[in-house]
Amino acid sequence: GENVEQHPSTLSVQEGDSAVIKCTYSDSASNYFPWYKQELGKGPQLIIDIRSNVGEKKDQRIAVTLNKTAKHFSLHITETQPEDSAVYFCAASTPNSGYALNFGKGTSLLVTP
Amino acid sequence: NAGVTQTPKFQVLKTGQSMTLQCAQDMNHEYMSWYRQDPGMGLRLIHYSVGAGITDQGEVPNGYNVSRSTTEDFPLRLLSAAPSQTSVYFCASSYSSHSGTEAFFGQGTRLTVV
Repeated sequence: GENVEQHPSTLSVQEGDSAVIKCTYSDSASNYFPWYKQELGKGPQLIIDIRSNVGEKKDQRIAVTLNKTAKHFSLHITETQPEDSAVYFCAASTPNSGYALNFGKGTSLLVTP
Repeated sequence: NAGVTQTPKFQVLKTGQSMTLQCAQDMNHEYMSWYRQDPGMGLRLIHYSVGAGITDQGEVPNGYNVSRSTTEDFPLRLLSAAPSQTSVYFCASSYSSHSGTEAFFGQGTRLTVV
């Protein structure tokens, strides 16, 4: 089955700095890669996603890059703000499993003022 | 439009008891799935369904049963609860797609087995 590795497990940055979270996947059939943000006591919420036919996608301060050959993808948050503090999860999925998600173990991001 | 609704929010069970975690969505999504979240382990897929009458196992299916008799509902059954099943359980749903779409998550059920 799919194996998703995520690094780092914790990340502390100062407000205004950039944060980068990296993930690798193992199944070459995976073609959908979403990123979720989870705040304490809540369910995960999608912040950005990328499909295998695209190498990069940007939405305001958030961007994701995908390298299919190397089987890795990354989340970039620029100009971080304290409200960006949360746990972030990457995931990979395939059409064969109804796009059920295989998650990384998460990155706890802390943005200090 | 309530989205994905999970009940109950909290539950304490004794070892060996059975229970059903309920999940309902009102978005007419074909795909639904169940995950468990444990500290340091992320979210792990238990079972998923691509439509009414169709279910399949995920990464950690042992000890759990599911069925999908309607598009809206996807209950998760614990037949004989064990302390190892203490976890937070999330249900999610999404549209069917050839290229992947956003999964919407419920608020979770926190289960403790003593």
